[in-house]
Amino acid sequence: DIVMTQSPDSLAVSLGERATINCKSSRSVLYSSDNKNYLAWYQQKPGQPPKLLIYWASTRESGVPDRFSGSGSGTDFTLTISSLQAEDVAVYYCQQAYSTPTFGQGTKVEIK
Amino acid sequence: QVQLVQSGAEVKKPGASVKVSCKASGYTFTRYGITWVRQAPGQGLEWMGWISAYNGKTNYAQKFQGRVNMVTDTSTSTSYMELTSLTSDDTAVYYCARDSSATTVTWGDYWGQGTLVTVSS
Repeated sequence: DIVMTQSPDSLAVSLGERATINCKSSRSVLYSSDNKNYLAWYQQKPGQPPKLLIYWASTRESGVPDRFSGSGSGTDFTLTISSLQAEDVAVYYCQQAYSTPTFGQGTKVEIK
Repeated sequence: QVQLVQSGAEVKKPGASVKVSCKASGYTFTRYGITWVRQAPGQGLEWMGWISAYNGKTNYAQKFQGRVNMVTDTSTSTSYMELTSLTSDDTAVYYCARDSSATTVTWGDYWGQGTLVTVSS
C-alpha cells in the first residue's frame, strides 16, 4: 500500500493568516498515461462527514472557496488556506487513488 | 440535489455481521461508483472498498478481503456494505460516498451522514 504522511499533525494559525499542510506519499501518485496526480484533499468538521475540497491535486471542487488551493506532483503535495477563516477549523486529510486508496493521518487546524 | 442517506445505528455482538445501506438520489446512480470509508472513535479515515454502480465491479482494501461484501441494487439506487466476523475493533462510523467515477476508484464527492456501528458483548 502507498503510505500517506501528513505534516504537521496540528497547527494553529491566526485569523486571516496562511495555513499550509503537507502530504507526502511513499510512491509517486502521478499516472503517466494521463499525466494526472491521483491525490485529493478533504475537510472534516466535528460530527460531520468529510467534504471533498481538491482533486487531481489542484482542481478545486465546485463551491469550494478560492482561499483553498492544492499544489504538488509525484510524491509531495500541499494544501494551502490563503486566509484562514473561523469556519475553516477542521481536520484535513489527503487521499491517494493511484492504487488501492489510502488516507493521510489528518492535520488538525485551529485558530491561534 | 445529490443525497446519500444511510441506515441507522447498529449494535452488534462480537462474531456477528452488520449490513449498512446507502440510498442515493438526485443523480443517475449507474454513472458513478460508491466508496465505503470508516472512522473509529477519535481516529482518522480508513478506506474499505468501492463498487461500481455501473457494472458491480468491486475493489476492496486487502485488510477487509474475505470479510466485506459490497453490492448495489440499481432498481432502488441503493448500495449495501456487509461486514462479517465483527470484533470490537470494528466499532466505528461507516460512511458511504459517491465516487466520481463508475469505472475506477477515485474519491468521494458526496457523502452520506454516517452510520455508527458498535460492537460490544
